Amino acid sequence: DVKVTQSSRYLVKRTGEKVFLECVQDMDHENMFWYRQDPGLGLRLIYFSYDVKMKEKGDIPEGYSVSREKKERFSLILESASTNQTSMYLCASSLSSGLDNEQFFGPGTRLTVL
Amino acid sequence: DQQVKQNSPSLSVQEGRISILNCDYTNSMFDYFLWYKKYPAEGPTFLISISSIKDKNEDGRFTVFLNKSAKHLSLHIVPSQPGDSAVYFCAASALWGQGAQKLVFGQGTRLTINP
Repeated sequence: DVKVTQSSRYLVKRTGEKVFLECVQDMDHENMFWYRQDPGLGLRLIYFSYDVKMKEKGDIPEGYSVSREKKERFSLILESASTNQTSMYLCASSLSSGLDNEQFFGPGTRLTVL
Repeated sequence: DQQVKQNSPSLSVQEGRISILNCDYTNSMFDYFLWYKKYPAEGPTFLISISSIKDKNEDGRFTVFLNKSAKHLSLHIVPSQPGDSAVYFCAASALWGQGAQKLVFGQGTRLTINP
């Protein structure tokens, strides 16, 4: 059974803190993605990675960075958390050769920045 | 600039009837479309997809229709069941740099099936 796990389900941080969100997949997928989900806005792509140490900006990369040192792990970093980064964060992975481009999602991390 | 739009934030349907969820897109370069279902406190799960070369794909109670000329797709669920109550996201696939595919999601429609 395919699995994407995220390090925390709920996280509360203070403004200005550095925040790390971790994602691990056990499917040997090449591609990994970070989204945030906000009411009325759907899922918006922050960053994605198509290979180890490779990354591409998504639609809303400002205020975020990512790290992919190993194939199975993709980290999202909030360098200095702000209240407008309060959101649900979703990690996903997919096969490069997948014709239907299906992405498999983790359960999400609900981050609150106070 | 919302390239994929789901204009109905919510939909309420009686159990046993048909549920129709709609999605519009603006980018004619999209070549694959997917529907995801999301329960509270869980990640989205893949439901059904359709290639741009087809106009219909069916999987059990779920059928997706694609009208390329209108840049419109719809998801039909029949008969609707209480377990179908969830948020449904429409997504379109586009080629990114480096040959990777990325998904562009709509805002989501919350479907409620009433007993």
